[in-house]
Amino acid sequence: QIQLVQSGAEVKKPGASVSVSCKATGYPFTSSGFNWVRQAPGQGLEWMGWISGYNGHTQYAQNLQGRVTMTRDTSTSTLYMELRSLRSGDTAVYYCARGERGAFDVWGQGAMVTVSS
Amino acid sequence: EVVLTQSPGTLSLSPGERATLSCRASQSLSNNYLAWYQQKPGQAPRLLIFGISSRATGIPDRFSGSGSGTDFTLTISRLEPEDSAVYYCQQYSNSLYSFGQGTKLEIK
Repeated sequence: QIQLVQSGAEVKKPGASVSVSCKATGYPFTSSGFNWVRQAPGQGLEWMGWISGYNGHTQYAQNLQGRVTMTRDTSTSTLYMELRSLRSGDTAVYYCARGERGAFDVWGQGAMVTVSS
Repeated sequence: EVVLTQSPGTLSLSPGERATLSCRASQSLSNNYLAWYQQKPGQAPRLLIFGISSRATGIPDRFSGSGSGTDFTLTISRLEPEDSAVYYCQQYSNSLYSFGQGTKLEIK
C-alpha cells in the first residue's frame, strides 16, 4: 500500500527558499507521476506542478515558473519541491500526491510553510 | 488553461437528502479526466471519483459522478452527517491540472 510521508513544518522569512520532501513507500516509485498541490489558509487547492518518477521530467504551473523546482531521488524514493523568493502569499499547506489516470489518488499528510518576517 | 467553476458555493441539506454539486469547465474535456475530492478540516483531500464517473477504492455507492463536455455533477444520495466537507472538482488536460474553487456542504 503506497504511502507518502512529508517533511515537517517550516517557518521562513520573505525572500528565502524552502524545500519540502515527500518519501514514497509501498509502491514502485518509478512507475508513477507525482504532483505538488498547495492550499493557503482558508482557501482552495492550487496545483503547482508534476514530476515523473520514471525520468524526472517536470511540468510547472505557469504562475510558479522560475520560482519552483521539483526533483526526485530514485535511490530513496523521495520527491523534493523547492520554492524560492518566498513571499507572504506562499504561506500554505503543501501536499504531494500521486497522479494516476488524471487524478490524485494518494496524498501526503501535508507540510505547513509559513512565510513571515 | 482550463478554468473550473463550481456551484453552489455552499449547500445546506438534511441527513437522508440528496446533494447535487456542479462543476463547469471553460472548455470541453474531451479526455474525460475529471475527478472529485472530499476534504474535511485539517485533513488532506480524499479522491472520490475519477474519469468522470468511476468511484475510487473504498468509496460508497452513495457517491456518483456524471457529465460530459463542459458540465459535470457529483451526486451524493442519502446524506449522512459525516458527508459534511468541502468538495472540489479537478481536471487534467494538455499536461496541466486545475481545481475548482470548492463547494462547502453542510449537513443540518
